[in-house]
Amino acid sequence: DTGVSQNPRHKITKRGQNVTFRCDPISEHNRLYWYRQTLGQGPEFLTYFQNEAQLEKSRLLSDRFSAERPKGSFSTLEIQRTEQGDSAMYLCASSLGALTHNEQFFGPGTRLTVL
Amino acid sequence: AQTVTQSQPEMSVQEAETVTLSCTYDTSESDYYLFWYKQPPSRQMILVIRQEAYKQQNATENRFSVNFQKAAKSFSLKISDSQLGDAAMYFCAYRSLGGATNKLIFGTGTLLAVQP
Repeated sequence: DTGVSQNPRHKITKRGQNVTFRCDPISEHNRLYWYRQTLGQGPEFLTYFQNEAQLEKSRLLSDRFSAERPKGSFSTLEIQRTEQGDSAMYLCASSLGALTHNEQFFGPGTRLTVL
Repeated sequence: AQTVTQSQPEMSVQEAETVTLSCTYDTSESDYYLFWYKQPPSRQMILVIRQEAYKQQNATENRFSVNFQKAAKSFSLKISDSQLGDAAMYFCAYRSLGGATNKLIFGTGTLLAVQP
């Protein structure tokens, strides 16, 4: 399967623990996005990478959140000192090139539950 | 800042019938893209249809078509000959034409049920 993959699919953690999610974009897609989706809401933009450079971060991305894309391929999203309000679906998407109409392809998401 | 509003949290349609999902948006930009995404239960989001704001012609993809009213900032999705597989959450989304990120701005979604 050559789609966007995310691991793990589900994560249950206790408040205060650190968690890390991984996203593997479609091969050769140079643009990678992270979104967060809470129950009853649409996805909200968190951050964007073009190759390995993180070019934009939403104000939703507090200092407890950090994202990396070290070699311009896969990306990780880490949440430190998790809070119950961090419980959500974390979606990753990728797209190709500089053409502005290029479609973003989404992964299945990682569902985080903070107890 | 741009916003997207979907005022129908839930909709229901009989199989083989037609249903229209509503979406309005707010922007001061003149060029942008609008999208409808489908998110089936426990499955990943997929693009249903895309509309470029500079195009007056409404986009169509098989049974899916849009009614794009730029002046009214309205972008509705019509699903014809509804099928059981169309049951899903549908999100309307906006993307600026300019800017560096092309991030998507989503509405809150409409949950569509298809009755056999």
